[in-house]
This record gives sequence, C-alpha cells and structure tokens, in this order.
Amino acid sequence: KNEVEQSPQNLTAQEGEFITINCSYSVGISALHWLQQHPGGGIVSLFMLSSGKKKHGRLIATINIQEKHSSLHITASHPRDSAVYICAARGTNFGNEKLTFGTGTRLTIIP
Amino acid sequence: DTAVSQTPKYLVTQMGNDKSIKCEQNLGHDTMYWYKQDSKKFLKIMFSYNNKELIINETVPNRFSPKSPDKAHLNLHINSLELGDSAVYFCASRSAGADTQYFGPGTRLTVL
Repeated sequence: KNEVEQSPQNLTAQEGEFITINCSYSVGISALHWLQQHPGGGIVSLFMLSSGKKKHGRLIATINIQEKHSSLHITASHPRDSAVYICAARGTNFGNEKLTFGTGTRLTIIP
Repeated sequence: DTAVSQTPKYLVTQMGNDKSIKCEQNLGHDTMYWYKQDSKKFLKIMFSYNNKELIINETVPNRFSPKSPDKAHLNLHINSLELGDSAVYFCASRSAGADTQYFGPGTRLTVL
C-alpha cells in the first residue's frame, strides 16, 4: 500500500462543475504539496500547506492534520484544468527534504 | 530565461549503454532533485543535493550516479542501461527556507 493515496484515480466532469480530489497519507508529514502535471508532461507546484486552507484563483486546498487528509477543490472547472493532479507528502526525515508522491488523479473537463 | 532546464528532452538508446542527463537551474536555488516517473506516471525521488552535497539517496541502483559540479547543475549519469530504466526523469530545485519546488520539463528515456 502506497504511503500516499489519492482518489479518484480518474475523474471526468462537465465544464463548470465543482471538482474535489482527495489525498490521504499514512506517514508523519511536515507539509503537503499539490502539483499539476499538464498533458504535455510539465509539472507545476500549486500549493504547499501544513495546516488549514489555501486559495489561489479557482483552486482551493485544505488539509486536516489529525485525519491525515487533504483535498484539492476546483470551482467553475474549465477544460484547461484537464491535467493530472498529484499530492506529495513532505517527510520529517532528512531535514524535511523527501517528497512521497500519490498516484495522481487524471482530471478531464468536457466542454 | 528557463528556470530549470534539462537536456536532452528525449533520449533513445540501446541496453548496456552509458548516458547522461543534464540539469541546470538559473534560480540561485540551493537544493536540487532528481525524480523518476514510471510508465504508470508514478513519481519517486531518486536523489537530492544541497549545495553540491548529497542529502537524499533513495534505493537507486549504483548504476545511477548524480554529479553536481556546482550549485546550479545536477547531472545524472546512468551506466549499463537496462530496459527498466525507461521512464521520464525530472529535475527540480528549491530555495533554502522555501517549500515550492520548480520542476524541469523532463527527459523521456527509452532503452531498447
């Protein structure tokens, strides 16, 4: 079992729908990252959070440390949001360097 | 003015060959990483360097040897390539005290 699990693995939705991607982890972490991998392969860091909630445009990330769970929400989804979304837990070893990745959620937004 | 660059973008080679992938960042970051993304798109850390010093070395075969000639470069040399080495390799960098990692565009390695 992977230390970082995401659900769903694949998600298809209509443009405008509210999207939720979940991430659960079993390791002790110092922070959790959300990344976006574009269809062309490039990876962009979206959020890093260690508590509470962060918002950037139509993207919202939340984390519940006690429940070891984080969610990424997209409001008013758009076809350009189609990508693979990856959560990554930053460990507490090696001076907090190591990222352990989830398996990714492939999001497809249909116009 | 690319922040993190990798060369080559694509690399096709025969089993048994030795090859290198180069990574350069012009962000002045102290820490650099190599990640491997397998055919199922699963990312896994391979190495991390901080100021040219190795700080993370996951259970990677010793055929893989990272080399950091200076803070801005972290190259990955692979000896005796095997079929299972086929993957996309990503380089990333991070500034000391910051959390965001900046990823390179990836190098798709295909071993025939």
